[in-house]
Amino acid sequence: GAGVSQSPSNKVTEKGKDVELRCDPISGHTALYWYRQSLGQGLEFLIYFQGNSAPDKSGLPSDRFSAERTGGSVSTLTIQRTQQEDSAVYLCASSLAPGTERQETQYFGPGTRLLVL
Amino acid sequence: GQSLEQPSEVTAVEGAIVQINCTYQTSGFYGLSWYQQHDGGAPTFLSYNGLDGLEETGRFSSFLSRSDSYGYLLLQELQMKDSASYFCAVRSTYNFNKFYFGSGTKLNVKP
Repeated sequence: GAGVSQSPSNKVTEKGKDVELRCDPISGHTALYWYRQSLGQGLEFLIYFQGNSAPDKSGLPSDRFSAERTGGSVSTLTIQRTQQEDSAVYLCASSLAPGTERQETQYFGPGTRLLVL
Repeated sequence: GQSLEQPSEVTAVEGAIVQINCTYQTSGFYGLSWYQQHDGGAPTFLSYNGLDGLEETGRFSSFLSRSDSYGYLLLQELQMKDSASYFCAVRSTYNFNKFYFGSGTKLNVKP
């Protein structure tokens, strides 16, 4: 079956521009996560959605970052006025809802590699 | 808060056994998970320990001891394809869908 997909796979932008990253989770997965991974580093939690709502936005680095999810499916992560320190791989993951079997398993997309010049 | 510590790098030879440790400081979590990530790839789920003890899945085993705030991933009969980064992760009981990841252990398997 189809896994988590993300687009674009690579994005090069100029400092100060806005970028929009997209995530298509596995069908039926109500939980969706965004992470950021800098080169050679671990995963930094950004935001989590349960359905269309985001009960935890505490990981967003600044107010330049925002995310939304519509129809309980596709999610977009928007970075406004990009800075060079925003350069990283942005990973999306989905999982079954809490309280369901195998809720601990997150399925990751291939990521979007963002380079801010 | 949550803090998970892992060795940054481990080297082993093909066919050997290697153990990757994860020590944590946490105010509460449901269980310990392990993920594998090849260079340039996405993390993939390997195993989960909800209870103390050993979980075995083929060549990989994972262990958790809550009393010692410690877990490990054991890889047996190492193969070249096992060269990757391995991350431990926990899901917080305070914000039960927030996952915290360790910084990862890069495993180098040599012939």
